[in-house]
Amino acid sequence: QQQVKQSPQSLIVQKGGISIINCAYENTAFDYFPWYQQFPGKGPALLIAIRPDVSEKKEGRFTISFNKSAKQFSLHIMDSQPGDSATYFCAASPVNAGNNRKLIWGLGTSLAVNP
Amino acid sequence: DAGVIQSPRHEVTEMGQEVTLRCKPISGHDYLFWYRQTMMRGLELLIYFNNNVPIDDSGMPEDRFSAKMPNASFSTLKIQPSEPRDSAVYFCASSYDGGEETQYFGPGTRLLVL
Repeated sequence: QQQVKQSPQSLIVQKGGISIINCAYENTAFDYFPWYQQFPGKGPALLIAIRPDVSEKKEGRFTISFNKSAKQFSLHIMDSQPGDSATYFCAASPVNAGNNRKLIWGLGTSLAVNP
Repeated sequence: DAGVIQSPRHEVTEMGQEVTLRCKPISGHDYLFWYRQTMMRGLELLIYFNNNVPIDDSGMPEDRFSAKMPNASFSTLKIQPSEPRDSAVYFCASSYDGGEETQYFGPGTRLLVL
């Protein structure tokens, strides 16, 4: 059962444009929402993360927008560059209880930024 | 730090053979995760350890898969016997139990079972 639904599956954006990737979750116990970036032949790496006490977090050209009532969060990449071409994964984790560190992953979005 | 180290980086084997994947987590990290990545199923968590103890192995596909962590600096994922459907990229990741939940991934092992 997919608990984190990610869309779109693939995305093509022109250089300088805005890339938007969306994720929706079902479990209201989730309280940590990271985005990971994966380049071909590499392992995923944390890009940016948010907790539900804020509605937005920005780091450089990357912004997470979080809508707790709708149970949705999205990644915005401003001024997209060819170097941003990668696969992006959203994930969610339940309340940090004991030694529970399990992330529930979306299926990924393949982003291609055309020069 | 060298990051998470995995070996081998590539493995080609024949169906029925035993496959052992190895992982060295980042020094000082308390958690170790094994993932499998395929185009069809994305990233799947197979098992994870805390302080060398398995916490959740619900993602292990079947009895052909086993994982061990004999000490804080080494873990193995074994497939015996291997099948063509096990072909995937296997990632090891580690994290530190200090409030931060970032998982640091290794470069992965690309497994092809013929």
